[in-house]
Amino acid sequence: GIQVEQSPPDLILQEGANSTLRCNFSDSVNNLQWFHQNPWGQLINLFYIPSGTKQNGRLSATTVATERYSLLYISSSQTTDSGVYFCAVVASGTYKYIFGTGTRLKVLA
Amino acid sequence: GAVVSQHPSRVICKSGTSVKIECRSLDFQATTMFWYRQFPKQSLMLMATSNEGSKATYEQGVEKDKFLINHASLTLSTLTVTSAHPEDSSFYICSASVPGSSGNTIYFGEGSWLTVV
Repeated sequence: GIQVEQSPPDLILQEGANSTLRCNFSDSVNNLQWFHQNPWGQLINLFYIPSGTKQNGRLSATTVATERYSLLYISSSQTTDSGVYFCAVVASGTYKYIFGTGTRLKVLA
Repeated sequence: GAVVSQHPSRVICKSGTSVKIECRSLDFQATTMFWYRQFPKQSLMLMATSNEGSKATYEQGVEKDKFLINHASLTLSTLTVTSAHPEDSSFYICSASVPGSSGNTIYFGEGSWLTVV
C-alpha cells in the first residue's frame, strides 16, 4: 500500500517563527488533506489540497502531485498552533484515507 | 463543513465487557464511514470501512469478530469492542466521506477515549 512519511517528526518553535512541514507519499493520489490534532484529540480539517496552493490566514499549503509531496507553511506561529499535524491521502484507484506519520509541533511563548 | 458526532467521548469499562461507540452524520447522509484507532503518540490507523446496508470491510490484522461494525442507516455507524482487554485501550475516531466537485473530503467525529481496566 501507499506509504506516507512526514518530516520533521518533532518541531519546537519560538512564538512568531515560521515553519514548513512536509508530507511525502509513495504513489499517485486523488485526494490529500492536512489536519491539526489538538491536545484533546480533535482533528481539525485545515486544507483539502490534492494539487495546487491554498492559503487560509497564517497557514498555506502546496501540493505538487507529480513529485508526490505536499507542504504546509505556518507563519508567525502562536502557542495555539501546538499539536500534531497530519497529512492524509487517498491513493489513486482507492477510496480510503491513509494518514502520514505526523509532525508534533510545540510553540513556546 | 459537514458535522460528524461521536459518542461517548470517554468511556471506562471492565476487562471482558463490551462497549459500543456511535458515529453520526448530523447534516448529511453518509453511505460510507471509516473507523480509525490511534495509540498514544502514534498516527491514525484505519481499522475498517463501514458501508450502509452491507458488511464492513476490515483492514488486514483487524479482528472482525472483536470489532463489530454496524451501519444500519445513512446517518449512523456503530463500533462495538467485544470482550475488551486493556490492550484495546485507545482513541477511536470515525469519519465520513463527503463527495465534492473536486473529490471526496473527510470529516471526523470528536473521537472516543476508551480505557479498559
